[in-house]
Amino acid sequence: KQEVTQIPAALSVPEGENLVLNCSFTDSAIYNLQWFRQDPGKGLTSLLLIQSSQREQTSGRLNASLDKSSGRSTLYIAASQPGDSATYLCAVANQAGTALIFGKGTTLSVSS
Amino acid sequence: EAGVAQSPRYKIIEKRQSVAFWCNPISGHATLYWYQQILGQGPKLLIQFQNNGVVDDSQLPKDRFSAERLKGVDSTLKIQPAKLEDSAVYLCASSPNTGFGGYTFGSGTRLTVV
Repeated sequence: KQEVTQIPAALSVPEGENLVLNCSFTDSAIYNLQWFRQDPGKGLTSLLLIQSSQREQTSGRLNASLDKSSGRSTLYIAASQPGDSATYLCAVANQAGTALIFGKGTTLSVSS
Repeated sequence: EAGVAQSPRYKIIEKRQSVAFWCNPISGHATLYWYQQILGQGPKLLIQFQNNGVVDDSQLPKDRFSAERLKGVDSTLKIQPAKLEDSAVYLCASSPNTGFGGYTFGSGTRLTVV
């Protein structure tokens, strides 16, 4: 049974810092991995989608890497801003068209 | 393109009452998902539809939860009777049939059972 773990559960940093959020999964035979952002009381916003054949994806100040063999993904946020404060969720799909399996998330707080 | 629409945004009910949530996915998305997100947890799948057929409902508490997707478009999730532990955010998501695209989530319905 696939399990997704995110470390740390919470993180507080001053504005401008570069930071890394970690995600691990127990079954390396995934189809894709997706990082989401969730603001309080809101739904999920997709940030980056990495297919199993890819090693990384970049969007602006965000970079996500995937190491399938070790069952790990990292989300790198460069030059953090207070507006980045949110919960970041990692999720994997085991096969095409199947439901996502989520971690519990990392709650990020960026202070100005 | 329009996103995934959900209603209502908030609902407060007493235990043992019934409640229904509605979802309208992105046009053309064949796959629709209902997730339950309890405070402090990641979303957990309740049920997945492919067009109007059920693909996975293994984690749906079928003694109290039911869901349908009429004509392969809109979907309704119902809880009857509700329990205190059903307090959560109920998220609807849809994805293209190809499986290569990402998932798009609605804003969710926050249910409080008192």
